Amino acid sequence: DTEVTQTPKHLVMGMTNKKSLKCEQHMGHRAMYWYKQKAKKPPELMFVYSYEKLSINESVPSRFSPECPNSSLLNLHLHALQPEDSALYLCASSQKTSGGPQETQYFGPGTRLLVL
Amino acid sequence: RKEVEQDPGPFNVPEGATVAFNCTYSNSASQSFFWYRQDCRKEPKLLMSVYSSGNEDGRFTAQLNRASQYISLLIRDSKLSDSATYLCVVKGWDTDKLIFGTGTRLQVFP
Repeated sequence: DTEVTQTPKHLVMGMTNKKSLKCEQHMGHRAMYWYKQKAKKPPELMFVYSYEKLSINESVPSRFSPECPNSSLLNLHLHALQPEDSALYLCASSQKTSGGPQETQYFGPGTRLLVL
Repeated sequence: RKEVEQDPGPFNVPEGATVAFNCTYSNSASQSFFWYRQDCRKEPKLLMSVYSSGNEDGRFTAQLNRASQYISLLIRDSKLSDSATYLCVVKGWDTDKLIFGTGTRLQVFP
C-alpha cells in the first residue's frame, strides 16, 4: 500500500484566516515533503522533514509553517496568506532520505487552496 | 539553463501509436531518475524509475544515457487512458530534493 492521505481536499480561506493542511502516511516512511503546484507548472518543493526534523526549507515565507508531530503525520499551518498562494498543495513521503539511489516519493491527492 | 528540460508538447497521437519523450538534465552528479505521470487536477504518480541498463514495464520503456545526460520514455500501443502529463524527475545522491521537468503533455485520440 503506497497511500498518502491529505485533508481537506479543498479549502477556501480569507487573507486573515488561520487554517491547517494535514497529511498522513502509514508506510513507515521517514521522510515527508510539502510541495506547492500552480496550474500547468511542475511541483515546487517547500519543506522536507527527515526523521521528524526539518531538513530543508526552500526559503518559504513565514506565513507557511510546517509541523511534524510524529513520523506518520505532517501539517502545514497557514496564516495571513495572499491570493497568489492559491495552488494545489501536495504532500509526499519516501522510505528514507538521501543516502540511497532510489528514494521514490509517493504523493498524496493534494489540497486545492483558494485564498480570497 | 533549466536543470531538467523537457519538450512541453502537446503530443497528439492516435490510439495504437508509439510515442517517445525525451528529457535532458544538467547536473552530472544526478543519481536517481524517474518518470511520473500526472492527470489533470490530480497528484503525480510514479510511472517508473529509470535504471542505467534501461527498463521496461509492459508498454513503457525507459532509457538512461549518463554520458549525454539524457532520459527517454517510449510508450507503445498508446491507449486513450495514456493521455496525461509526463514529468521527468531527477535526484542527486546526497539530497532529498527532486528536480522536476516542466512536463510533456500527451493527448491520445481515437
